[in-house]
Amino acid sequence: GESVGLHLPTLSVQEGDNSIINCAYSNSASDYFIWYKQESGKGPQFIIDIRSNMDKRQGQRVTVLLNKTVKHLSLQIAATQPGDSAVYFCAENISGNTGKLIFGQGTTLQVKP
Amino acid sequence: DTGVSQNPRHKITKRGQNVTFRCDPISEHNRLYWYRQTLGQGPEFLTYFQNEAQLEKSRLLSDRFSAERPKGSFSTLEIQRTEQGDSAMYLCASTFVGGNYGYTFGSGTRLTVV
Repeated sequence: GESVGLHLPTLSVQEGDNSIINCAYSNSASDYFIWYKQESGKGPQFIIDIRSNMDKRQGQRVTVLLNKTVKHLSLQIAATQPGDSAVYFCAENISGNTGKLIFGQGTTLQVKP
Repeated sequence: DTGVSQNPRHKITKRGQNVTFRCDPISEHNRLYWYRQTLGQGPEFLTYFQNEAQLEKSRLLSDRFSAERPKGSFSTLEIQRTEQGDSAMYLCASTFVGGNYGYTFGSGTRLTVV
């Protein structure tokens, strides 16, 4: 399953399928991007990050793709599991070395067993 | 060290009252951030500290809000004369400057103003 844009709030996928969550960021000068996972009642949890000098980075079951030309970021989750159900946020570092992050609206991922 | 700790987890207060939240960051982290998150939205930056110095404040941080980090360790966020619009989750995060900015968030304090 795949989400499109920042304004599709929910992505529903079957357990075992791959998920793709998309994000459009705002500032072409942003140099660092992060994906966070947030479960109900908890703070955001770091998943994976990527710097602007890269276009792809892989982690365990997750891959982040960065397309600076169109200011687009995506998170791919392989073999989605019920424990992946959460809200996913992309965030960009927009102001140099302050570390201040601007978060997108978020996508809810629902994994059906 | 078990991560970033925030207290209380939940706070219900009457409009007009003052409230104070506490954040204990990861001990070796010298940067501490406060964010606010309303239902269905991503976190919004409020302010941040490097050691004990408050280096930036968002326009969201009205005069009723004040944050301190007196000894460069824990931080407090106080809201005076609370309004219903202050109801939100207040998140604290910490990191070590010079590293990446994938900082560690606490579980937040959920404020409800009635």
